[in-house]
Amino acid sequence: DQQVKQNSPSLSVQEGRISILNCDYTNSMFDYFLWYKKYPAEGPTFLISISSIKDKNEDGRFTVFLNKSAKHLSLHIVPSQPGDSAVYFCAASEISAGKSTFGDGTTLTVKP
Amino acid sequence: EPEVTQTPSHQVTQMGQEVILRCVPISNHLYFYWYRQILGQKVEFLVSFYNNEISEKSEIFDDQFSVERPDGSNFTLKIRSTKLEDSAMYFCASSEAGVSNQPQHFGDGTRLSIL
Repeated sequence: DQQVKQNSPSLSVQEGRISILNCDYTNSMFDYFLWYKKYPAEGPTFLISISSIKDKNEDGRFTVFLNKSAKHLSLHIVPSQPGDSAVYFCAASEISAGKSTFGDGTTLTVKP
Repeated sequence: EPEVTQTPSHQVTQMGQEVILRCVPISNHLYFYWYRQILGQKVEFLVSFYNNEISEKSEIFDDQFSVERPDGSNFTLKIRSTKLEDSAMYFCASSEAGVSNQPQHFGDGTRLSIL
């Protein structure tokens, strides 16, 4: 049972345009959601998070939206830059749990 | 900025041998984790560790696996008798507080190759 799903394995956008990465989850007990970015040969790097009590969190070019009723979150990157090219993982955790559950990842390619 | 460090970066081991993967978490962090990523697959949770004991583990983390914080700075993952399917990237992570309200900081991983 895959509790966190990223249905798009890859996404390609033009520099300067918006990148939208999507994530769906099934566990209604999840209360904290994160996006990580991963470059080859490096570990995941925390990007942005959102608590279940919010529906939007913004940090510079990055905005995460949470739709609890749809069990869906998305990451918007505006404007996209070539350096944003990486694998993006959605992760979720629930109160008192000692782990994060990761999605499969989406490979973002931003073309100059 | 403080970071999580992992050694070695690449470990090659014969099947059936024991292997120890080492991690130095960020110094003021209290929660420690191991994840693995088999080539081409998702990042999978193995175990979390807090207050010198395992707080949660996955079904992957069977009796062949163990974790230890031997000296207050290192956090190790031991695989007692390695199998071919243990070949993967192993990531250590740490956080100040539990995962419900704090992001985890990851090391760059150890690539484990079982021959």
